[in-house]
Amino acid sequence: EVQLVESGGGLVKPGGSLRLSCAASEFTFSVYTMNWVRQAAGKGLEWVSSISSSSTYIYYADSVKGRFTISRDNAKNSLYLQMNSLRAEDTAVYYCAISSSSAEYFQHWGQGTLVTVSS
Amino acid sequence: SHVLTQPPSVSVAPGQTARITCGGNIIGSKFVHWYQQKPGQAPVLVVYDDSDRPSGIPERFSGSNSGNTATLTIRRVGAGDEADYYCQVWVSGSDQYVFGTGTKVTVL
Repeated sequence: EVQLVESGGGLVKPGGSLRLSCAASEFTFSVYTMNWVRQAAGKGLEWVSSISSSSTYIYYADSVKGRFTISRDNAKNSLYLQMNSLRAEDTAVYYCAISSSSAEYFQHWGQGTLVTVSS
Repeated sequence: SHVLTQPPSVSVAPGQTARITCGGNIIGSKFVHWYQQKPGQAPVLVVYDDSDRPSGIPERFSGSNSGNTATLTIRRVGAGDEADYYCQVWVSGSDQYVFGTGTKVTVL
């Protein structure tokens, strides 16, 4: 069964940085586009960033462009999200998700890690 | 920015049919996908490419897409279907994934 386990969340002050990780197993990580999606408490889903299988194509939501950096290590079956210049509005549960083969939707999701930005 | 509008809530009696709409001019000829999210859990894909179901999703869940509106239909609704439901599209021109505003389904 596909497994995605996020880690690295926590409490950080505004302006601070945090690095999220997603450990993948039970599927061929290196062939799939991977994504980060977030959800603030009581709010809807918001796509954050995507990275293609070989890191050739990288996309960001306008709300995080220039502050967040997505990366992956196919040798370690791991996905990362470096978050800098964090703001209160970045507070959310961050999910790691696998794209479909068409890369048009998210076929599997992790359980998420909570990021809280507060002084 | 792109918007996909869903009704905030839908209430349905047990055994009846729930229909959740997703509207927006970005839908057009794009595929629409649907996710179910129960409280405290991660989202789960229930319909992809307008009307296909992943393995393990009951046939009670179906989808359709016409014009600028997509619809998720849940037949023979039970208590286990109470959840938030989100539609989603990939906007290739903007290289963005867009989620709908979400609909809370309540079983009366």
